[in-house]
Amino acid sequence: SQQGEEDPQALSIQEGENATMNCSYKTSINNLQWYRQNSGRGLVHLILIRSNEREKHSGRLRVTLDTSKKSSSLLITASRAADTASYFCATVPTNFGNEKLTFGTGTRLTIIP
Amino acid sequence: SAVISQKPSRDICQRGTSLTIQCQVDSQVTMMFWYRQQPGQSLTLIATANQGSEATYESGFVIDKFPISRPNLTFSTLTVSNMSPEDSSIYLCSVGYRETQYFGPGTRLLVL
Repeated sequence: SQQGEEDPQALSIQEGENATMNCSYKTSINNLQWYRQNSGRGLVHLILIRSNEREKHSGRLRVTLDTSKKSSSLLITASRAADTASYFCATVPTNFGNEKLTFGTGTRLTIIP
Repeated sequence: SAVISQKPSRDICQRGTSLTIQCQVDSQVTMMFWYRQQPGQSLTLIATANQGSEATYESGFVIDKFPISRPNLTFSTLTVSNMSPEDSSIYLCSVGYRETQYFGPGTRLLVL
């Protein structure tokens, strides 16, 4: 079963706008990661945030983590058509090795040129 | 990082048959994972494949249906046995690397 839920399930925005996706999870985590999937292909790792971190940046990506609310958000700034993809959060629980991931339900992002 | 390839990239199979999916990594890795992604859904972990030992299956997945081989540190296979239309999915392998995972391109399977 999925560890968490993501919302929205689908998001369409104009190119240049910012996109925000949210992820909620259920159990204590070691870290939370975000992945991108283009058109049903393999996933690409975007960013990892550890349970003792609150915010992290990578290029146009900004990730926040609130362990008290068991939630995370992914912000993509200045969106581009190439950002069109599905985005998944994935968690690593504290009671397991650091390589087993449990994925959220995903957000389908469409950037309108 | 790791570069992962999968074969076949896609296939159309008849119900009742079996398909073996190959996953090749360009470096030696300890843990390999197999996932299923049903149409429009997220990824579900099928099993973890460790070299030299039997695969560890997640709840809802059994070895008779999804036998896995891991003969060395760069290669693994997943067989989808006695297929039914419900097995139509994308099957992905991945490898663990420094707290993250690298994924293969996936095998898109359609069962008629």
